[in-house]
Amino acid sequence: AQSVTQLGSHVSVSEGALVLLRCNYSSSVPPYLFWYVQYPNQGLQLLLKYTSAATLVKGINGFEAEFKKSETSFHLTKPSAHMSDAAEYFCAVSDNAGNMLTFGGGTRLMVKP
Amino acid sequence: DGGITQSPKYLFRKEGQNVTLSCEQNLNHDAMYWYRQDPGQGLRLIYYSQIVNDFQKGDIAEGYSVSREKKESFPLTVTSAQKNPTAFYLCASAAEGWNTGELFFGEGSRLTVL
Repeated sequence: AQSVTQLGSHVSVSEGALVLLRCNYSSSVPPYLFWYVQYPNQGLQLLLKYTSAATLVKGINGFEAEFKKSETSFHLTKPSAHMSDAAEYFCAVSDNAGNMLTFGGGTRLMVKP
Repeated sequence: DGGITQSPKYLFRKEGQNVTLSCEQNLNHDAMYWYRQDPGQGLRLIYYSQIVNDFQKGDIAEGYSVSREKKESFPLTVTSAQKNPTAFYLCASAAEGWNTGELFFGEGSRLTVL
């Protein structure tokens, strides 16, 4: 079964600083990978997805993620944090044969002025 | 506008009562899902349905029931058998071939057991 680990349940950065949210998955087959964002008391919105077309994936709001098969990682980055980026971020993985997404535990990003 | 509508947004229940959470979508999506969200645990799949009149259990189906009588609707009933029902519930949908696409989520329903 797939599993997803997000290192750090809470990450705090200053406005303008680099954002790095970590995600590692377990799979012997390159999966499809996603990052979702959730604002308080709302549903999840797709930030970006990896579907094997390119290892560096660009998403909305200036976020990007790099798929590294050798490290089974899919870390999310943004060069310069904005106050509006404060939210909870979820990494998710699906496999080719399954019909379910497996989500990580989430990382709450806080942005300090 | 197309989307997923969940209702109610907030719901309070006394112990021993069944409650039903509504989920309606007008995206013409085949697949629909119910997730439960608890702090620090991410999202856990309760039930999913890929076609009308058919559904499968997810990882934490005990104490829950669903129906899929119409393509647009996938209601979730939280029964009195669910021992810890207080949580945030999210409904999602996906088009055919979803595993290379994305899930579209509703705004969620927060259930509190008093």
